[in-house]
Parts: sequence; C-alpha cells; structure tokens
Amino acid sequence: DAMVIQNPRYQVTQFGKPVTLSCSQTLNHNVMYWYQQKSSQAPKLLFHYYDKDFNNEADTPDNFQSRRPNTSFCFLDIRSPGLGDAAMYLCATSRNRGAYEQYFGPGTRLTVT
Amino acid sequence: KNEVEQSPQNLTAQEGEFITINCSYSVGISALHWLQQHPGGGIVSLFMLSSGKKKHGRLIATINIQEKHSSLHITASHPRDSAVYICAVRKNNAGNMLTFGGGTRLMVKP
Repeated sequence: DAMVIQNPRYQVTQFGKPVTLSCSQTLNHNVMYWYQQKSSQAPKLLFHYYDKDFNNEADTPDNFQSRRPNTSFCFLDIRSPGLGDAAMYLCATSRNRGAYEQYFGPGTRLTVT
Repeated sequence: KNEVEQSPQNLTAQEGEFITINCSYSVGISALHWLQQHPGGGIVSLFMLSSGKKKHGRLIATINIQEKHSSLHITASHPRDSAVYICAVRKNNAGNMLTFGGGTRLMVKP
C-alpha cells in the first residue's frame, strides 16, 4: 500500500500561473520534506516541516511556499512558476528529525509552458 | 570536490552478474542512505546505515565508518534492477538535510 502519495503525478502549468502540488502520508510521521530534482541532478531540499514547525532552506526562492494543515498532508505552492521551475518535485517523510529513514513519494513532474 | 562521491557513474552489466556500487564521503556523518530511482520515477529508500551491514533480498549494503566508505551490492542482477542508485549522507549537525552523491546509472541487459 502506498505510504507517501503525491498528486498529481504530472502537472502542466503556464508561466506565472500559481500551482499547488499535494503530498499525503499514511505513516503518521512527524517530518515531511519537499525536494526539487531537475533533470540529471541530485534532489535539492526546499524545506521541511517538523510537526507544524516550518524550516526553509536558505537558498529556496521566495516563489516557493508550503503548508501543512495536519499531520497527513503537506502542500507545495509555487506562486509564479518560471520555466526554470520545471522539475520533479519529491515529497518525503521521516518518523522524526535526525538519523531516520526517509520515505519518498513517487514525485510530481511539473512542466511549465 | 564533492563531499559524497559515487563510482562508477555508469555501469552496464549482464543479467545474473554481481554488481558493486561504491560511495565515499569526506565528512562526519550520522547515517548513510542508499536510494533507487527508476527513469522518470520517484525515489525508493533501499537502506539506511550507520554501521555494519544490511541485507534485503538480493541487495546488500555495507559501511565502513573509519574508511568513510559504503558499498551497495546486487546479487543475481536482473533487468528490472536498471535504475539510478543514489548514495546520500546525513552530515553531523546538518539537521535534516541529506547530502547526495551524483548517482550511479545502472543498466542490466538480458
């Protein structure tokens, strides 16, 4: 059974049109992460939530925001997507902070036209 | 120099071969992860190691903390093992951030 679910799997949006990507988990994990992975590159951490505590990476553009309304759901909002934001967006969870295994979702591939 | 180096970058094997992928790192770590990513797909966590050795099915992962080195072995390889294998470390005092290696692209031919 899927433990980390991302919707949609493929998303096409227009340049400048806000878009929201969704992640849900059935693991009841405290930590949820959003990564951006561009073609042939390693994933790059954008931010993570520890419970309701939001932690933004220093180089994450302001264009990217996140919401976590409850333990199970976390959203990635891109306010004004640019062509450079086309990428695979990966959600992951871990039971807690520290050296815990991360469980990844299948990813959402975002295309910006 | 990257803090996490993987070798080889690309690997082609025949079905049934024993495969080894290596990961070396130059920083203190609290854990090392081996991840698998199929083309166009999401990431699957294979192992998380902080010492010793773990085995799951045909996959074996080892880590030598003193030498700052880990290996991922695949026994009796199969075409469905074709994927990118990524080594990622959690550095000491780095919070929740993983530092990723460049990945090893494996193709197993029938």
